[in-house]
Amino acid sequence: QVQLVQSGAEVKKPGASMKVSCKASGYTFTSFGISWLRQAPGQGPEWMGWISAKNGNTKYAQKFQGRVTLTTDTSTSTAYMELRSLRSDDTAIYYCARDGIVVIVNDYWGQGTLVTVSS
Amino acid sequence: SYVLTQPPSVSVAPGQTANITCGGNNVGRKSVHWYQQKPGRAPVLVVHDDSDRPSGITERFSGSNSGNTATLTISWVEAGDEADYYCQVWDSSSDSYVFGTGTKVAVL
Repeated sequence: QVQLVQSGAEVKKPGASMKVSCKASGYTFTSFGISWLRQAPGQGPEWMGWISAKNGNTKYAQKFQGRVTLTTDTSTSTAYMELRSLRSDDTAIYYCARDGIVVIVNDYWGQGTLVTVSS
Repeated sequence: SYVLTQPPSVSVAPGQTANITCGGNNVGRKSVHWYQQKPGRAPVLVVHDDSDRPSGITERFSGSNSGNTATLTISWVEAGDEADYYCQVWDSSSDSYVFGTGTKVAVL
């Protein structure tokens, strides 16, 4: 069965960087993409970006351009999301979700990683 | 940017039908996906591409999309259907996914 297992909760200081991992199993990693999304407390999901696990092509939401980097390690079927220059309003649950080799739909989601940004 | 508007809440009695709307400019020209999210859990895809159900999703969930409104219909509502529901589209103008404002379904 398809599973996406994310790294654990983090607490960060303003101005720091964070990097969340997402290990995929149960499917051929390089035949799909991974989207990253986040959900602030009491809010709906917000899409951050997408990466093709086949060739590393990326798309980023304009809001996060220049501050986020998506990468994959095909040898371990793991996707990574790095977000820099953290602010308090980056406090959220961060999710990875399987997507298509082009952006199609987020059909399986990881369990989420809570990141708290606080001084 | 593209905006998808949902009613904040829908209340429905067990056994009845819940209709959750998702309004957007010419949304009928886009593929709409629907997610169910229960408290403390990740969203779960319940309908994709307007009206298709992923494997394992009950037939009680169905969808339609035309004009400026997409609709998720939950038939024979059960207590376990209480959750937040979000619609989603890909907006080619902004090259990004857009989510609806979300609807909380309460089962009376």
